[in-house]
Amino acid sequence: DGGITQSPKYLFRKEGQNVTLSCEQNLNHDAMYWYRQDPGQGLRLIYYSQIVNDFQKGDIAEGYSVSREKKESFPLTVTSAQKNPTAFYLCASTAWETDTQYFGPGTRLTVL
Amino acid sequence: AQSVSQHNHHVILSEAASLELGCNYSYGGTVNLFWYVQYPGQHLQLLLKYFSGDPLVKGIKGFEAEFIKSKFSFNLRKPSVQWSDTAEYFCAVKEGSAGGTSYGKLTFGQGTILTVHP
Repeated sequence: DGGITQSPKYLFRKEGQNVTLSCEQNLNHDAMYWYRQDPGQGLRLIYYSQIVNDFQKGDIAEGYSVSREKKESFPLTVTSAQKNPTAFYLCASTAWETDTQYFGPGTRLTVL
Repeated sequence: AQSVSQHNHHVILSEAASLELGCNYSYGGTVNLFWYVQYPGQHLQLLLKYFSGDPLVKGIKGFEAEFIKSKFSFNLRKPSVQWSDTAEYFCAVKEGSAGGTSYGKLTFGQGTILTVHP
C-alpha cells in the first residue's frame, strides 16, 4: 500500500522534554510538509522540504526542528522552546506532476 | 502574506438540504485553489482543486466549487447533502502557475464544521 504513515497516533510528554514525530512516505514524492492543526485555526505550516537535505521554515517554525536525510522520511522535533506544543500534527507530501498534497493520519501530541 | 477566510465556523443542515461553504482569499496573483475534507477519525483528503480552465470544478462525492476571480472566492457547493457528509472542510490556496507544476506552500482557512442531521 502506498501512503504516508505517522507514528505514534497519540503521544504524551512532560513539559520541557523534546519529542520527535515520525513521518514516512513510500509515494516517491519529492516534497514533504509538516502542519499543526488547532481547533478553529485550520492548518498552519511549520516546515517544508522540497528535496533531500534541504528544508525551509513555514509560518510557525519557532520551537520546532526538522531533518530530511532520506527522501522517504521527514521527522519533526518539537523542542522544549515551543511554548504551546499540545496540538494535532499532520505530515503531507506532494508529487511534482500533480502538485497536490496528500496527508498522513496525524499525531496528537499532548504535553502534560 | 496571503490569507484565507472561511465564512462559517459551524454549519448545521438536515439531509437533502443544499450546501454552500464560503471561501475568500487575499492574494492577487495566480492561485491554485483546493478544498479538503476531514471526516471524523480519517485522513485529510482532497475534495477538488482548481489550477486553470473552467472555473466550475467538480470533485468527488457530488461536490463542486466555483472560482470567481473578481471576488477572490472559491465557494464549495453540494445540491443535496447526506448524513455521511458530516465532516470538517478546509479551503486552501497556493500561489501558483496555470500549469500547477511547482511546489509551494498551502495557506489554509480556519475550517468549517458541517453537521448533517438525518
